[in-house]
Parts: sequence; C-alpha cells; structure tokens
Amino acid sequence: DAGVIQSPRHEVTEMGQEVTLRCKPISGHNSLFWYRQTMMRGLELLIYFNNNVPIDDSGMPEDRFSAKMPNASFSTLKIQPSEPRDSAVYFCASSLTKAFFGQGTRLTVV
Amino acid sequence: AQSVAQPEDQVNVAEGNPLTVKCTYSVSGNPYLFWYVQYPNRGLQFLLKYITGDNLVKGSYGFEAEFNKSQTSFHLKKPSALVSDSALYFCAVRDPAGASKIIFGSGTRLSIRP
Repeated sequence: DAGVIQSPRHEVTEMGQEVTLRCKPISGHNSLFWYRQTMMRGLELLIYFNNNVPIDDSGMPEDRFSAKMPNASFSTLKIQPSEPRDSAVYFCASSLTKAFFGQGTRLTVV
Repeated sequence: AQSVAQPEDQVNVAEGNPLTVKCTYSVSGNPYLFWYVQYPNRGLQFLLKYITGDNLVKGSYGFEAEFNKSQTSFHLKKPSALVSDSALYFCAVRDPAGASKIIFGSGTRLSIRP
C-alpha cells in the first residue's frame, strides 16, 4: 500500500482565494482525520470522519473551513476565503486503531 | 473529554545515556496510547502503541514505553540514546469506546548531543 496520499505537497495562494487540500486514505481504514500543525498551536485536530461520516468538527476554526468525505477513498479540506493566518502544514491521517499520516500539505497564504 | 500532556518542550541528553520523554493522559475507560516521531519536513511516524496486556511495550528503533494506570502516564524511554534520535516526539491517546478521535500532545523536542 502506498500509504496516505496528500496533494498538493505545497500550496502558495493569495489571500481571499479558495484552497482545496486532498487526501486518499489507506484502503480498509475506517477513520480519517485532518490535523493542522503550526509552531504556535502544535498539532490540532480539525475534524474526523468514521465510515465517511463526520463525527466531530469542533476543531474547525471558522466557517471558512469545510471538509467532505464523499467516499471511503477520498477526502477534501477546503478553505474559502483563505487568510494569511491559515498558513500551516495540514496533515491527513487514516486509522483502524493507530493513525497513519500523510506527508502533509504546506500551505502558505500571502 | 480525553486529553494528553507532554510537560517538557525540550529534552537534552548526551549520546549513550538513557532518555525519557514524559506523557500523561486523561480519558474515560481504558485508553489506547501511542507514540509518534516527526523528523523535519515529514509526517508523523508511528513508534509504538499500548492497547492491552503487558505494561511495557517495545517499538521501533529501540524505543519502549511503560503504561502506568495509577499515574495515568505513558513515558517513552530508550536505554542508550543516539544522535539520530533527535526529533520531535508526540504522545497520543484514543478512547476505544466508539468512533473516537486521536488527540496528540504538544510535542517534545528531543536533542541528543554527541
């Protein structure tokens, strides 16, 4: 298995633009997590899904953030409109018991 | 609500000495506990887990961790540190009841000096 695949690896966008981050989880895993990592806040859980259903989105910082999981093999995290303070590394992870992480998307909003 | 704490932002150890990275947790019921390591510009890599059974669990790269239920701790240890162990270490907890989230601690930067 190729592991958790995230795209793009790097994204630079202008403030106000829409950003979509993508994740392909490991086949057979039933949970999917989106995390954000910054120096100031560490590793924050934004949202997680179980069997494609959003269970807890209390970590999503604002209504500008939304996440979907239309099927077991794909999830997106969208920021619209983006702001400079959204700059961070965004990780997707999938799990049965332990979490397997993707390589992350480094987002820079200028 | 589940939570996990890593009280040390940084741990400095000389190569060859034993190392300990501390972690305490709070969760209802019996927890699933994990340690992960992160190298620069990389995702988190799994080191070891405690689900049930022996309180001392062994993982990758010679690391081990001891589950202590009375102290609600899950400290990461290694008998002899290597310079290559220098990285960011995260402790994580999961409540096994239901479809639960995995919560990570704030991370501890481990620095091994030659």
